[in-house]
Amino acid sequence: EVQLLESGGGLVQPGGSLRLSCAASGFTFGSYAMSWVRQAPGKGLEWVSAIDGGVGGTYYADSVKGRFSISRDNSKNTLYLQMNSLRAEDTAVYYCAKRSEVASGYFDHWGQGTLITVSS
Amino acid sequence: EIVLTQSPATLSLSPGERATLSCRASQSVSSYLIWYQQKPGQAPRLLIYDASNRATGIPARFSGSGSGTDFTLTISSLEPEDFALYYCQQRYTWPLTFGGGTKVEIK
Repeated sequence: EVQLLESGGGLVQPGGSLRLSCAASGFTFGSYAMSWVRQAPGKGLEWVSAIDGGVGGTYYADSVKGRFSISRDNSKNTLYLQMNSLRAEDTAVYYCAKRSEVASGYFDHWGQGTLITVSS
Repeated sequence: EIVLTQSPATLSLSPGERATLSCRASQSVSSYLIWYQQKPGQAPRLLIYDASNRATGIPARFSGSGSGTDFTLTISSLEPEDFALYYCQQRYTWPLTFGGGTKVEIK
């Protein structure tokens, strides 16, 4: 059974940093692209960043480019999101999501999410 | 970036009724349109991929159609567990984008 478990969320001041982790199990982690998707309170879904499987490329939404960095450790089956220069508008539940079995660009499994609150 | 517009924002229906949700793209996404369902406090759940293909374990009452810029998610007969939020997403090009969602609520 595929499981994705995010951690690292919490309250951070504007301008601060935080690193999210997503522990994966139940599939060959290194073979799949992974993404972070966020959802501000009461709002819709926003794709944030993606990383290819293996040692592949990385992709970012314009809203986080230059501030966030996605990475993975395939030996630990873990996905990361380093978030710097945080802003109030980054407040959201952050989900990690696994690329589908069929094709890239969408997600067949999601974690339960971790809440980031950016506030002074 | 491709903008996805979902309509209506809210759909008020009774169990057993047919639900028709729309997703319109600002430019063609071919058939690379995805539908998810989200219930309060839960992560999204994949329903339909590439416009019309049901994901594993999704009941046959859910169907998707469309291509280019206009897409439809149909729930043929609403079950109590179907009252939820529904989002479309395009995977045609980066950045991946989502629609604003349609809430299907009990009338």
